[in-house]
Amino acid sequence: AQKITQTQPGMFVQEKEAVTLDCTYDTSDQSYGLFWYKQPSSGEMIFLIYQGSYDEQNATEGRYSLNFQKARKSANLVISASQLGDSAMYFCAMREGNSGGYQKVTFGTGTKLQVIP
Amino acid sequence: EAGVVQSPRYKIIEKKQPVAFWCNPISGHNTLYWYRQNLGQGPELLIRYENEEAVDDSQLPKDRFSAERLKGVDSTLKIQPAELGDSAVYLCASSLWGGNEQYFGPGTRLTVT
Repeated sequence: AQKITQTQPGMFVQEKEAVTLDCTYDTSDQSYGLFWYKQPSSGEMIFLIYQGSYDEQNATEGRYSLNFQKARKSANLVISASQLGDSAMYFCAMREGNSGGYQKVTFGTGTKLQVIP
Repeated sequence: EAGVVQSPRYKIIEKKQPVAFWCNPISGHNTLYWYRQNLGQGPELLIRYENEEAVDDSQLPKDRFSAERLKGVDSTLKIQPAELGDSAVYLCASSLWGGNEQYFGPGTRLTVT
């Protein structure tokens, strides 16, 4: 089974609108972390947001928020007020194991977001 | 503060040739990762170091790939001999020990012809 599943190969969103990028995960660990990274066409991976499995509040970082539904094992990224510069590949990733101990990080296959003017 | 530095940015070689990639992590970051990213895929971990110790190299194809981080700072990833299927982007990342955020370098795009 895939550890991280991103079912949307590509998404379009109108500039200034909000968009949700889907991510589901599979783990038997009780302690894990979920990440979203942005990869523009230039290739660098940019950290966006992190959610720990024990965090009760959904993580937010500026225009990014993570909709964490633990029972459904989903960790969707919500981008509000989309900008043209948001056009990029977006990767969901999961860290298994305790922070400070062994950590295995697995990435999904990515979603290509295109923001339309 | 300087980010993760990788060189070269691009490399084109013929199959069966050797190739090496270099990574200098962010100062003070104990943990260093090497990933391979195939076209249209997410990064896949090849090896992870805690200081100079390789703590996870289960995904490293050991027949042709090798890595070292001798002084616990910069690291080299080598492929010998390269195969056509090794064409990919090789990403290096670093983090503080136990840190949640990994900082990635710009990557080395390898093309094997």
